[in-house]
Amino acid sequence: AQKITQTQPGMFVQEKEAVTLDCTYDTSDPSYGLFWYKQPSSGEMIFLIYQGSYDQQNATEGRYSLNFQKARKSANLVISASQLGDSAMYFCAMREGQTGANNLFFGTGTRLTVIP
Amino acid sequence: EAQVTQNPRYLITVTGKKLTVTCSQNMNHEYMSWYRQDPGLGLRQIYYSMNVEVTDKGDVPEGYKVSRKEKRNFPLILESPSPNQTSLYFCASSSYRQGALSGYTFGSGTRLTVV
Repeated sequence: AQKITQTQPGMFVQEKEAVTLDCTYDTSDPSYGLFWYKQPSSGEMIFLIYQGSYDQQNATEGRYSLNFQKARKSANLVISASQLGDSAMYFCAMREGQTGANNLFFGTGTRLTVIP
Repeated sequence: EAQVTQNPRYLITVTGKKLTVTCSQNMNHEYMSWYRQDPGLGLRQIYYSMNVEVTDKGDVPEGYKVSRKEKRNFPLILESPSPNQTSLYFCASSSYRQGALSGYTFGSGTRLTVV
């Protein structure tokens, strides 16, 4: 079974609007961490936001927020007030265990295009 | 500046010619890992290392070797590259102490083409 599922290969959003990128995960480990990364056309992987399985509140970082619904095993990324520079691939990833093997499992990504 | 440095950024090679992609980090991280990225498949882990002299296979280790003789370096070796190893490769590192908070630091990527 896939550990991370991103069901939206591509998304479009109007500039200044908000957009939600979906991510569901599968684990039986009670301790895990969820990450979102941005990959612009230049190729580098940019860390955006992190949510721990025991965190009580949804993580936020500037215009990024993570809609964490533990019972549904979903960790959707919300980008508010989209900008043209947000056009990129976005990857959801998960690490299981407190320290464990520290391995990151990635989804297949969502390509976001911001329309002027 | 804290970073993971991969070299080369781009490489075109021929089938069967041994090559090494280097990866070095200056953050004293214990954990290092190699991923390959292919369209529609996301990033898949090739090998990882928990510390010096400790390495283990990831999801797609066939055709690759690694070594971790020093904490800062984690080279990826393709003994006999084949066209199906054409891909974008990433090296990443993390500290066990800060892994949960800051995520993983990635290198800039190596785009490899095997003809």
